[in-house]
Amino acid sequence: EIVLTQSPGTLSLSPGERATLSCRASQSVSSSYLAWYQQKPGQAPRLLIYGASSRATGIPDRFSGSGSGTDFTLTISRLEPEDFAVYYCQQYGSSQITFGQGTRLEIK
Amino acid sequence: EVQLLESGGGLVQPGGSLRLSCAASGFTFSSYAMSWVRQAPGKGLEWVSAISGSGGSTYYADSVKGRFTISRDNSKNTLYLQMNSLRAEDTAVYYCAKVILEWLVLCAFDIWGQGTMVTVSS
Repeated sequence: EIVLTQSPGTLSLSPGERATLSCRASQSVSSSYLAWYQQKPGQAPRLLIYGASSRATGIPDRFSGSGSGTDFTLTISRLEPEDFAVYYCQQYGSSQITFGQGTRLEIK
Repeated sequence: EVQLLESGGGLVQPGGSLRLSCAASGFTFSSYAMSWVRQAPGKGLEWVSAISGSGGSTYYADSVKGRFTISRDNSKNTLYLQMNSLRAEDTAVYYCAKVILEWLVLCAFDIWGQGTMVTVSS
């Protein structure tokens, strides 16, 4: 099983600032099969990025993903008030899908 | 509109069984693999099981292997999760989710249902 470790656990920023979220895998994620999700309280997760860097339909271009192998990053270029939520990474390159433990992005 | 609607959750005693359903609409159901993902109260996301579009291939998390069975009825556009030998640690919101790419069974999920709560308690 590939273990995904997200950092930081909590990120405190202000609207307009840049957010950088990290996801590190315990072994290489094949074909960059890495996705990012946003989840708000009481809601289902929302797909932001798949294939490490491809934005899902309707996702604003302030969200971008990068990385390969074992190190991946989600960047939000300029935070909007609606971006404060919990973010999860997910790998789907092995026979068992795994998620990271999440990063909480809170308003400073 | 693409939509997934789960049902079948509820309160069950340890050792009991429950069957979840997920009704799909707005897309060609048989063309896409589907998964179940769960989230315990206040916790993160945990993938549970996946099934190919035809139903011929299935995958399970180690935590549920041998206890849960995923299946689908493409004539009814419905996904199922049969859960047996339930434990307290199976308590969670269970989501069904559709993959974004037709040619992958294990993939990212672009459409999620609203979730159904399963509580295992005596």
